Amino acid sequence: GESVGLHLPTLSVQEGDNSIINCAYSNSASDYFIWYKQESGKGPQFIIDIRSNMDKRQGQRVTVLLNKTVKHLSLQIAATQPGDSAVYFCAEAGYNQGGKLIFGQGTELSVKP
Amino acid sequence: GAVVSQHPSRVICKSGTSVKIECRSLDFQATTMFWYRQFPKQSLMLMATSNEGSKATYEQGVEKDKFLINHASLTLSTLTVTSAHPEDSSFYICSARDKGPFSGELFFGEGSRLTVL
Repeated sequence: GESVGLHLPTLSVQEGDNSIINCAYSNSASDYFIWYKQESGKGPQFIIDIRSNMDKRQGQRVTVLLNKTVKHLSLQIAATQPGDSAVYFCAEAGYNQGGKLIFGQGTELSVKP
Repeated sequence: GAVVSQHPSRVICKSGTSVKIECRSLDFQATTMFWYRQFPKQSLMLMATSNEGSKATYEQGVEKDKFLINHASLTLSTLTVTSAHPEDSSFYICSARDKGPFSGELFFGEGSRLTVL
């Protein structure tokens, strides 16, 4: 199957600080990207998405940036809260891929009070 | 929002037995469902695409005879782990997409944790 099977990198931030989580995607043909949050023992939870015709999209406290030139995606979380502690995955999809989502490596975010 | 339900959420079985995991879309019809496997501290790995009324499409390296997928209705897909072994112990997650045009509306279940003794 596809995906990177490495152990998760971790990011530790202080409560109230901004967090930036990075992701490198693999397929230049991907045209749709999603960030998911996964808490321990649960399924992924949708956070925000972005299409390839955009380079930035903002949600509530979150911003996703897309750089197609270097195939890089980032998730910015403003004023990080303890409840934001989780594992964050980026996922990519394309119309030529049958709609399936391929997940990136993931980053474990730990928020210190 | 749309809900995808998985059952059982946890299952423990003996080595050599088969285990069935169900994935249901509760308030929408899903022509396509996806099955993922996730090992501890790792990412989700796509196993197969389940298509209602036709055979599943398996990702490279996934044994179709080991992981049987059946998508008999628009609201139910099942994954059967046959002759389970301890190395099959993992977190299995399904996702479902509704019948609309591809819009990225992919909803995930809460996962099923399989432990093979």
